[in-house]
Amino acid sequence: SQQGEEDPQALSIQEGENATMNCSYKTSINNLQWYRQNSGRGLVHLILIRSNEREKHSGRLRVTLDTSKKSSSLLITASRAADTASYFCATGPIQGAQKLVFGQGTRLTINP
Amino acid sequence: GAGVSQSPSNKVTEKGKDVELRCDPISGHTALYWYRQSLGQGLEFLIYFQGNSAPDKSGLPSDRFSAERTGGSVSTLTIQRTQQEDSAVYLCASSLGVTNNEQFFGPGTRLTVL
Repeated sequence: SQQGEEDPQALSIQEGENATMNCSYKTSINNLQWYRQNSGRGLVHLILIRSNEREKHSGRLRVTLDTSKKSSSLLITASRAADTASYFCATGPIQGAQKLVFGQGTRLTINP
Repeated sequence: GAGVSQSPSNKVTEKGKDVELRCDPISGHTALYWYRQSLGQGLEFLIYFQGNSAPDKSGLPSDRFSAERTGGSVSTLTIQRTQQEDSAVYLCASSLGVTNNEQFFGPGTRLTVL
Protein backbone atom coordinates (compact mmCIF):
# COMPACT_ATOMS: atom_id res chain seq x y z
CA SER A 1 0.00 0.00 0.00
CA GLN A 2 1.13 3.53 -0.64
CA GLN A 3 2.64 5.19 2.43
CA GLY A 4 3.28 8.65 1.11
CA GLU A 5 0.69 10.94 -0.33
CA GLU A 6 1.79 14.05 -2.16
CA ASP A 7 -0.22 17.22 -2.25
CA PRO A 8 -1.12 18.80 -4.57
CA GLN A 9 -1.40 16.22 -7.34
CA ALA A 10 -0.58 18.91 -9.87
CA LEU A 11 0.92 22.38 -9.57
CA SER A 12 1.42 25.01 -12.26
CA ILE A 13 3.37 28.21 -11.57
CA GLN A 14 5.27 30.94 -13.41
CA GLU A 15 9.00 30.75 -13.86
CA GLY A 16 10.79 32.48 -11.01
CA GLU A 17 8.11 31.69 -8.44
CA ASN A 18 8.60 29.24 -5.60
CA ALA A 19 6.98 25.82 -5.68
CA THR A 20 5.94 23.94 -2.56
CA MET A 21 4.93 20.30 -2.51
CA ASN A 22 3.81 18.33 0.52
CA CYS A 23 3.99 14.70 1.50
CA SER A 24 2.17 12.90 4.29
CA TYR A 25 2.85 9.40 5.54
CA LYS A 26 1.36 6.99 8.04
CA THR A 27 3.96 4.93 9.88
CA SER A 28 7.21 5.71 11.69
CA ILE A 29 10.13 6.23 9.38
CA ASN A 30 13.91 6.08 9.32
CA ASN A 31 14.19 8.74 6.65
CA LEU A 32 12.27 10.43 3.86
CA GLN A 33 13.58 11.02 0.36
CA TRP A 34 12.45 13.15 -2.55
CA TYR A 35 12.89 12.09 -6.16
CA ARG A 36 12.25 13.80 -9.50
CA GLN A 37 11.04 12.08 -12.65
CA ASN A 38 11.16 13.57 -16.13
CA SER A 39 9.01 12.27 -18.96
CA GLY A 40 7.83 9.18 -17.10
CA ARG A 41 11.19 7.44 -17.08
CA GLY A 42 13.92 6.97 -14.49
CA LEU A 43 13.82 8.79 -11.19
CA VAL A 44 16.61 11.02 -9.91
CA HIS A 45 17.34 11.29 -6.21
CA LEU A 46 17.13 14.87 -4.93
CA ILE A 47 17.55 14.86 -1.18
CA LEU A 48 17.31 12.64 1.89
CA ILE A 49 16.26 13.85 5.32
CA ARG A 50 16.61 11.64 8.37
CA SER A 51 13.98 11.28 11.04
CA ASN A 52 16.06 13.27 13.55
CA GLU A 53 16.45 16.21 11.16
CA ARG A 54 13.93 19.00 10.73
CA GLU A 55 15.25 20.86 7.70
CA LYS A 56 17.74 20.30 4.94
CA HIS A 57 18.95 22.38 1.99
CA SER A 58 20.49 21.49 -1.32
CA GLY A 59 20.94 24.33 -3.81
CA ARG A 60 17.47 25.71 -4.58
CA LEU A 61 15.81 22.87 -2.70
CA ARG A 62 14.62 23.04 0.88
CA VAL A 63 13.07 20.07 2.61
CA THR A 64 11.36 20.07 5.98
CA LEU A 65 10.25 17.12 8.05
CA ASP A 66 7.73 17.14 10.88
CA THR A 67 7.61 13.67 12.40
CA SER A 68 4.89 14.66 14.87
CA LYS A 69 2.59 15.47 11.94
CA LYS A 70 4.07 12.75 9.74
CA SER A 71 4.59 15.22 6.95
CA SER A 72 7.32 16.71 4.78
CA SER A 73 7.51 19.56 2.33
CA LEU A 74 9.75 20.23 -0.65
CA LEU A 75 10.32 23.85 -1.61
CA ILE A 76 11.91 24.76 -4.92
CA THR A 77 12.93 28.41 -4.99
CA ALA A 78 13.29 30.59 -8.07
CA SER A 79 11.77 27.92 -10.29
CA ARG A 80 13.01 27.31 -13.83
CA ALA A 81 11.38 25.70 -16.84
CA ALA A 82 13.76 22.77 -16.40
CA ASP A 83 12.17 22.05 -13.02
CA THR A 84 9.06 20.83 -14.84
CA ALA A 85 8.74 17.20 -13.76
CA SER A 86 6.95 14.88 -11.37
CA TYR A 87 8.17 14.86 -7.79
CA PHE A 88 7.82 11.87 -5.49
CA CYS A 89 8.42 11.41 -1.80
CA ALA A 90 9.57 8.02 -0.55
CA THR A 91 9.71 6.82 3.01
CA GLY A 92 12.13 4.36 4.53
CA PRO A 93 10.66 2.30 7.39
CA ILE A 94 12.46 1.91 10.68
CA GLN A 95 12.10 -1.82 10.76
CA GLY A 96 11.75 -4.51 8.21
CA ALA A 97 12.87 -4.47 4.62
CA GLN A 98 14.97 -1.70 3.23
CA LYS A 99 12.54 -0.97 0.44
CA LEU A 100 11.26 2.55 0.05
CA VAL A 101 7.55 3.26 -0.26
CA PHE A 102 6.72 5.90 -2.87
CA GLY A 103 3.80 8.27 -3.02
CA GLN A 104 1.73 9.07 -6.11
CA GLY A 105 3.71 12.19 -6.97
CA THR A 106 3.09 15.85 -7.73
CA ARG A 107 3.18 16.97 -11.34
CA LEU A 108 4.92 20.37 -11.43
CA THR A 109 4.71 22.59 -14.50
CA ILE A 110 6.79 25.75 -14.74
CA ASN A 111 5.40 28.20 -17.28
CA PRO A 112 7.94 30.46 -19.00
CA GLY B 1 28.52 2.75 -18.02
CA ALA B 2 28.32 4.06 -14.48
CA GLY B 3 24.55 4.01 -14.10
CA VAL B 4 21.78 1.42 -13.98
CA SER B 5 20.91 0.16 -17.42
CA GLN B 6 17.78 -1.61 -18.58
CA SER B 7 16.87 -3.41 -21.76
CA PRO B 8 14.94 -3.25 -23.90
CA SER B 9 13.85 0.37 -23.61
CA ASN B 10 10.55 -0.46 -25.27
CA LYS B 11 8.78 -3.76 -25.72
CA VAL B 12 5.54 -4.40 -27.58
CA THR B 13 4.07 -7.86 -27.24
CA GLU B 14 0.86 -9.70 -27.86
CA LYS B 15 -1.42 -10.80 -25.08
CA GLY B 16 -0.46 -14.25 -23.84
CA LYS B 17 3.21 -14.04 -24.76
CA ASP B 18 6.04 -14.16 -22.22
CA VAL B 19 8.48 -11.25 -21.86
CA GLU B 20 11.84 -10.83 -20.15
CA LEU B 21 13.12 -7.49 -18.93
CA ARG B 22 16.75 -7.03 -17.99
CA CYS B 23 18.46 -4.81 -15.44
CA ASP B 24 22.17 -4.19 -14.98
CA PRO B 25 22.73 -2.49 -11.63
CA ILE B 26 25.62 -0.27 -10.65
CA SER B 27 28.70 -2.32 -9.92
CA GLY B 28 29.10 -2.93 -6.21
CA HIS B 29 25.47 -2.27 -5.35
CA THR B 30 24.15 -5.19 -3.34
CA ALA B 31 20.50 -4.18 -3.37
CA LEU B 32 18.31 -4.30 -6.48
CA TYR B 33 14.66 -3.32 -6.81
CA TRP B 34 11.96 -3.67 -9.45
CA TYR B 35 9.03 -1.26 -9.62
CA ARG B 36 6.12 -0.85 -11.96
CA GLN B 37 4.61 2.48 -12.92
CA SER B 38 1.34 2.75 -14.79
CA LEU B 39 0.58 5.89 -16.78
CA GLY B 40 0.38 8.93 -14.51
CA GLN B 41 0.70 6.85 -11.37
CA GLY B 42 3.24 6.38 -8.61
CA LEU B 43 5.70 3.55 -8.29
CA GLU B 44 4.42 0.13 -7.32
CA PHE B 45 7.04 -2.03 -5.59
CA LEU B 46 7.43 -5.47 -7.12
CA ILE B 47 10.48 -7.28 -5.75
CA TYR B 48 13.71 -6.58 -3.87
CA PHE B 49 17.04 -8.44 -3.81
CA GLN B 50 19.66 -7.90 -1.12
CA GLY B 51 22.94 -9.76 -1.44
CA ASN B 52 22.49 -13.50 -1.03
CA SER B 53 19.32 -13.20 1.05
CA ALA B 54 16.00 -14.55 -0.14
CA PRO B 55 14.28 -11.88 -2.24
CA ASP B 56 11.31 -9.93 -0.95
CA LYS B 57 8.60 -10.86 -3.43
CA SER B 58 5.75 -9.27 -1.54
CA GLY B 59 4.93 -6.83 -4.31
CA LEU B 60 4.56 -9.25 -7.20
CA PRO B 61 0.95 -8.91 -8.42
CA SER B 62 0.48 -12.52 -9.52
CA ASP B 63 2.32 -15.79 -10.04
CA ARG B 64 2.82 -14.79 -13.67
CA PHE B 65 5.56 -12.48 -12.43
CA SER B 66 8.98 -13.74 -11.36
CA ALA B 67 12.49 -12.36 -11.11
CA GLU B 68 15.99 -13.67 -10.77
CA ARG B 69 19.28 -12.10 -9.91
CA THR B 70 22.24 -14.10 -11.12
CA GLY B 71 25.62 -13.83 -9.47
CA GLY B 72 24.45 -10.94 -7.35
CA SER B 73 24.46 -8.63 -10.34
CA VAL B 74 22.19 -8.73 -13.41
CA SER B 75 18.49 -9.26 -12.81
CA THR B 76 15.74 -10.48 -15.13
CA LEU B 77 12.05 -9.83 -14.56
CA THR B 78 9.85 -12.33 -16.37
CA ILE B 79 6.16 -11.89 -17.05
CA GLN B 80 4.42 -14.98 -18.34
CA ARG B 81 1.19 -15.00 -20.36
CA THR B 82 1.10 -11.21 -20.50
CA GLN B 83 -2.18 -9.38 -20.08
CA GLN B 84 -3.14 -5.88 -21.22
CA GLU B 85 -3.12 -4.66 -17.62
CA ASP B 86 0.60 -5.52 -17.48
CA SER B 87 1.26 -2.55 -19.77
CA ALA B 88 3.40 -0.11 -17.80
CA VAL B 89 6.93 1.21 -17.39
CA TYR B 90 9.06 -1.24 -15.43
CA LEU B 91 11.80 0.50 -13.46
CA CYS B 92 14.84 -1.07 -11.89
CA ALA B 93 16.91 0.56 -9.17
CA SER B 94 19.99 -0.38 -7.20
CA SER B 95 21.55 0.85 -3.99
CA LEU B 96 24.47 0.14 -1.73
CA GLY B 97 22.20 -1.93 0.47
CA VAL B 98 22.68 0.21 3.55
CA THR B 99 19.38 0.74 5.30
CA ASN B 100 17.13 3.09 3.33
CA ASN B 101 19.97 4.30 1.19
CA GLU B 102 19.53 6.40 -1.94
CA GLN B 103 18.30 4.37 -4.88
CA PHE B 104 19.68 4.86 -8.37
CA PHE B 105 17.16 4.23 -11.12
CA GLY B 106 17.51 2.95 -14.64
CA PRO B 107 15.64 4.54 -17.55
CA GLY B 108 12.93 1.89 -17.46
CA THR B 109 11.37 -0.48 -19.96
CA ARG B 110 8.05 0.59 -21.44
CA LEU B 111 5.96 -2.55 -21.93
CA THR B 112 2.90 -2.48 -24.15
CA VAL B 113 0.68 -5.54 -24.32
CA LEU B 114 -1.67 -5.51 -27.30
